[in-house]
Amino acid sequence: GQNIDQPTEMTATEGAIVQINCTYQTSGFNGLFWYQQHAGEAPTFLSYNVLDGLEEKGRFSSFLSRSKGYSYLLLKELQMKDSASYLCAVLTGANNLFFGTGTRLTVIP
Amino acid sequence: DTAVSQTPKYLVTQMGNDKSIKCEQNLGHDTMYWYKQDSKKFLKIMFSYNNKELIINETVPNRFSPKSPDKAHLNLHINSLELGDSAVYFCASSQVPKGWGEQFFGPGTRLTVL
Repeated sequence: GQNIDQPTEMTATEGAIVQINCTYQTSGFNGLFWYQQHAGEAPTFLSYNVLDGLEEKGRFSSFLSRSKGYSYLLLKELQMKDSASYLCAVLTGANNLFFGTGTRLTVIP
Repeated sequence: DTAVSQTPKYLVTQMGNDKSIKCEQNLGHDTMYWYKQDSKKFLKIMFSYNNKELIINETVPNRFSPKSPDKAHLNLHINSLELGDSAVYFCASSQVPKGWGEQFFGPGTRLTVL
């Protein structure tokens, strides 16, 4: 089966940096996605990694290590509006997309 | 200008009923998907359609049937609704098939089965 693990909840302070980890064990690998989902809203795309390394996009960066089955999402200069759930999703070798249970991030003043 | 739209936004119904949720995308994408998000916020893919062909069919009950009249629409029909079907159902679309690339999600349909 597919297994994707993320911490359930995290809390960080406004202006700080937070790293949300994701580990996976899947049948093959064709890429890893990060999505943001605010309460009561639809998920929105943040990043897609298929090669090892760091992808930076503004305040958000995503890192992938395929050999370790590991990714993280790095959020810098945290803002209150960053309070949301962050979903890690893996595209398997059979091109099926599996989501983790998400990490609920709370940003406090 | 809504990219991916779903109707209805809220659906409350009795056990045993049959209901449909509609989804439309105006992005010209080739692939559309249906996801179910349960009360624990776990998002799970149910179906996807590429050019009117079903390419993913996860282990969902056959009470659920996707119907795609054209590339821009993927409707979800549910027969004999059960309490456990209560969830938020999201429609999504992407330009490339089989989950590659960015997926655009609709606003979701909150289904409550009484």
